[in-house]
Amino acid sequence: AQKVTQAQTEISVVEKEDVTLDCVYETRDTTYYLFWYKQPPSGELVFLIRRNSFDEQNEISGRYSWNFQKSTSSFNFTITASQVVDSAVYFCALSQREEYNFNKFYFGSGTKLNVKP
Amino acid sequence: EAGVVQSPRYKIIEKKQPVAFWCNPISGHNTLYWYRQNLGQGPELLIRYENEEAVDDSQLPKDRFSAERLKGVDSTLKIQPAELGDSAVYLCASSLGAGGPYEQFFGPGTRLTVL
Repeated sequence: AQKVTQAQTEISVVEKEDVTLDCVYETRDTTYYLFWYKQPPSGELVFLIRRNSFDEQNEISGRYSWNFQKSTSSFNFTITASQVVDSAVYFCALSQREEYNFNKFYFGSGTKLNVKP
Repeated sequence: EAGVVQSPRYKIIEKKQPVAFWCNPISGHNTLYWYRQNLGQGPELLIRYENEEAVDDSQLPKDRFSAERLKGVDSTLKIQPAELGDSAVYLCASSLGAGGPYEQFFGPGTRLTVL
């Protein structure tokens, strides 16, 4: 079963537009962690943010903001005033406890963001 | 601080040939992951190590894939024999501990093409 769903396969915006990347997750655990990673054309995944399931406070970091809503099992990512350098594939990931007390990671299929000048 | 190092960056082989990928994690990171990323998809875990112990290899196709992490530092992932469907990017990642709350640091990956 798909644990993390990123329904938007690809999004194209013009520079300076705001864009929101959606992430819906599925878990029965009460303790879990959510992540966003960026994968630029160079290929290396870069960590952006981590949230635990007990902290629903939204977070802002510069032009990036994240909206975590447990009621809808969503962890959406908004880029304000997008720039060409934001062009990349963005992955949402879920970490939940399974066997042997170790957490397992599940990545979504990613959303490719194209920011045009 | 050096990041996760992987080699080679690219590998082209013919089917049925063996291939090996090498990974050196960030110093001090006990947990090491190998992922496979197919085109247009997210990474899928193949195996996770805690020090030198493979604690999660449920997704590793054991008939042709093998991995080792001797001395609990660097690791090697091997495919023998390779099949056409093995073409993908193989990513290595490391973290201080297992799963959340520890973020994973990824290497640049090895792009494998099987002809």
